[in-house]
Amino acid sequence: AQSVTQLDSQVPVFEEAPVELRCNYSSSVSVYLFWYVQYPNQGLQLLLKYLSGSTLVKGINGFEAEFNKSQTSFHLRKPSVHISDTAEYFCAVSDPKNTGFQKLVFGTGTRLLVSP
Amino acid sequence: NAGVTQTPKFRVLKTGQSMTLLCAQDMNHEYMYWYRQDPGMGLRLIHYSVGEGTTAKGEVPDGYNVSRLKKQNFLLGLESAAPSQTSVYFCASSYSPYGYTFGSGTRLTVV
Repeated sequence: AQSVTQLDSQVPVFEEAPVELRCNYSSSVSVYLFWYVQYPNQGLQLLLKYLSGSTLVKGINGFEAEFNKSQTSFHLRKPSVHISDTAEYFCAVSDPKNTGFQKLVFGTGTRLLVSP
Repeated sequence: NAGVTQTPKFRVLKTGQSMTLLCAQDMNHEYMYWYRQDPGMGLRLIHYSVGEGTTAKGEVPDGYNVSRLKKQNFLLGLESAAPSQTSVYFCASSYSPYGYTFGSGTRLTVV
């Protein structure tokens, strides 16, 4: 069964500093990978996704992630964070063989805290 | 252009009471899901549906029932609420493989 590990439950960072949120998945087969963001008291929004092709994926709000198959990682990065990036970030994985139904397996989340 | 709409947004129940959470989507998605979110545990799948009239169990189905009588609606029922069901509940729909569209959540407290 697929699983996702988000190594950091909380990442504090100062405004305008770079940030990396780590995500590792356990799967020996091809995967689809996703990052979602949850702002306080809101639902989850899709930040970016990797389905195939280029291993560097660009998403909304200046975020990007790199798919590394050999290290089974999909770390999320932003070169300069804003206060408004304070939120919880979830990494998720699904199996491409499920051409119809898509069951996403989520990590436990990383809370990004941006301070002035 | 509502996407996924959940009602109610907040609810307080007494132990043993019942309630139904409603999820409606207007994107004609085939697949719908109910998750619960608890601190430190991420999102856990309760039940899901692969089409109108179908439902299936997820990771944590005990104490919940679901129905999908219409393609656009997915209902989650608690027959006899317990304090362990205090959580934030999210509904989602999908059009594979492009990820989920989530509702804004229902915050449920069982006292």
